[in-house]
Amino acid sequence: DIVLTQSPDTLSVSPGERATLSCRASQSVSSSSLAWYQQKPGQAPRLLIYDASTRATGIPDSFSGSGSGTDFTLTISRLEPEDFAVYYCQQYTGSPVTFGGGTKVEIK
Amino acid sequence: EVQLVQSGAEVKKPGESLTISCKSSGYSFITYWIGWVRQMPGKGLEWMAIIHPGNSDTRYSPSFQGQVTISADRSISTAYLQWSSLRASDTAMYYCATQYNLPNGYLLGVWGKGTPVTVSS
Repeated sequence: DIVLTQSPDTLSVSPGERATLSCRASQSVSSSSLAWYQQKPGQAPRLLIYDASTRATGIPDSFSGSGSGTDFTLTISRLEPEDFAVYYCQQYTGSPVTFGGGTKVEIK
Repeated sequence: EVQLVQSGAEVKKPGESLTISCKSSGYSFITYWIGWVRQMPGKGLEWMAIIHPGNSDTRYSPSFQGQVTISADRSISTAYLQWSSLRASDTAMYYCATQYNLPNGYLLGVWGKGTPVTVSS
C-alpha cells in the first residue's frame, strides 16, 4: 500500500496569511493521482483538488495544488476564517486508495 | 441538485448485523462509481470500498475485504454497506460518496452527511 505522510500535524496561521501543507508518498504516485480534501468539524469532507493541481468545481483560486512523484503541496494563498479545518491528501494510483493522516489548520 | 442521502444513526450490539444505505438523486446513478469511507471517532479518513452500479464491479480495501459488503440497487439508485457481525471497533461515522462528474472512479466529489454507527454491549 502507498502510505501518505502529511506534515505538519497542526499549522497555526493568522487570517490573511499563506498556508503550505505537505503530503509525502512512500512510493511514486503515478499520473499525479493525488487529491486534497477539506473537512470542517461535524461536516463531511469536500474535494478541493484532484490530479495534483486541478481545482474541483466551485473551489476558489486561493487553493492551489502542486507536486509530482512522491512530494505534493497544498497552498492556501490567503486564509479566510472559513478555511480553518482539517485537510487530507488522498492517492488514487490504484487500489487500495489511501488517505494521509491529515493536517489541522488552526487560527493563530 | 446532486445529493446523497444516508440512512440514520444506528446503535447495535456486538455480533448483530447491519445494513446502512445511501440514496442518490440528481444524476445518472449507473454512470458513476459510489463508495464508502470510514472515520473513527477523532481519527482520519479510511477508504473502504466502491461499486460501479452500472455493472456491479466492486473494489475493496484489503483492510475491509471480508469485513463488509458493498452493494447497489439500480432500481432505486441506492448503495448499501452491510456487516454480518458487528464489532465494537466498527463504531465510527460512515460516509458515502460518489465520483460524479470526475475523471476517476476513486475520486469522491459529492458526499453524504454520514451515518454514525455505535456498537456497544
